[in-house]
Amino acid sequence: AQKVTQAQTEISVVEKEDVTLDCVYETRDTTYYLFWYKQPPSGELVFLIRRNSFDEQNEISGRYSWNFQKSTSSFNFTITASQVVDSAVYFCALSEASAGGTSYGKLTFGQGTILTVHP
Amino acid sequence: NAGVTQTPKFQVLKTGQSMTLQCAQDMNHEYMSWYRQDPGMGLRLIHYSVGAGITDQGEVPNGYNVSRSTTEDFPLRLLSAAPSQTSVYFCASRQGQVNEQFFGPGTRLTVL
Repeated sequence: AQKVTQAQTEISVVEKEDVTLDCVYETRDTTYYLFWYKQPPSGELVFLIRRNSFDEQNEISGRYSWNFQKSTSSFNFTITASQVVDSAVYFCALSEASAGGTSYGKLTFGQGTILTVHP
Repeated sequence: NAGVTQTPKFQVLKTGQSMTLQCAQDMNHEYMSWYRQDPGMGLRLIHYSVGAGITDQGEVPNGYNVSRSTTEDFPLRLLSAAPSQTSVYFCASRQGQVNEQFFGPGTRLTVL
C-alpha cells in the first residue's frame, strides 16, 4: 500500500524567511508520481507540481523549489523569501502508475502542513 | 469550461437522513474521485472511478455509495447519515492516473 507522511503539522515563519515542507512517501511500485497541492484559506485545492519517479531533477518555479530524492523517498518543497500570501495548507500526494497494481488509479495524500507566514 | 462542479456547497442533515452529493465535470476526464477532509487527517479517499461503469473503494468507503453511469457525473450517496460523516467533501477528476487532479470547490456537510 502507498503512504505519504508530512511530519510537520504546522509551521510558523516571519515574512521573507525561507521555509521547507517535508514529504516522505512509501510505495512498492517502481513507477509513480508525486504531487504538491496548496489549499489557501478560501478552501480550494490548487495544483502546484507533478514529478515522476524517473526524474530526480530538482525544479524551481519562482520562489518555489522542489527537491526529489529517491534514495530517501522524499519530495520536499521549499518556499524562498516567504510572503503572507503563502499562508495555506500544503499537501503532498502520491499516485502509483503500474496497471494492475493494488493502488492503481488512487491518489494518496499526506496529512497536510499548515504554513502561517506572519508579516 | 466549468471544470469540476459540486452541489450543494453547504448541507445540514439529521442523523439517519440520506442524501446525494452531486459532482460533475466537463473535461471528459476518465478518473473521478471523492475525498473527505477532516482536521489533521488530510484528504482521505472515499471512492473512485476509472471510467463510466467502473468504481472502486478507497480508504474510507463505509457509509457511502457511488455510481458512474456517465463520464461527466459521479454522485456520492450517504445512505444513513451519522455525525462521524460531518466533514468537507471534495470531488476531483483527472485525465489518466499520472496527471494532476482538478478539484471541485467542496461541500461542507454537517450531520446533527
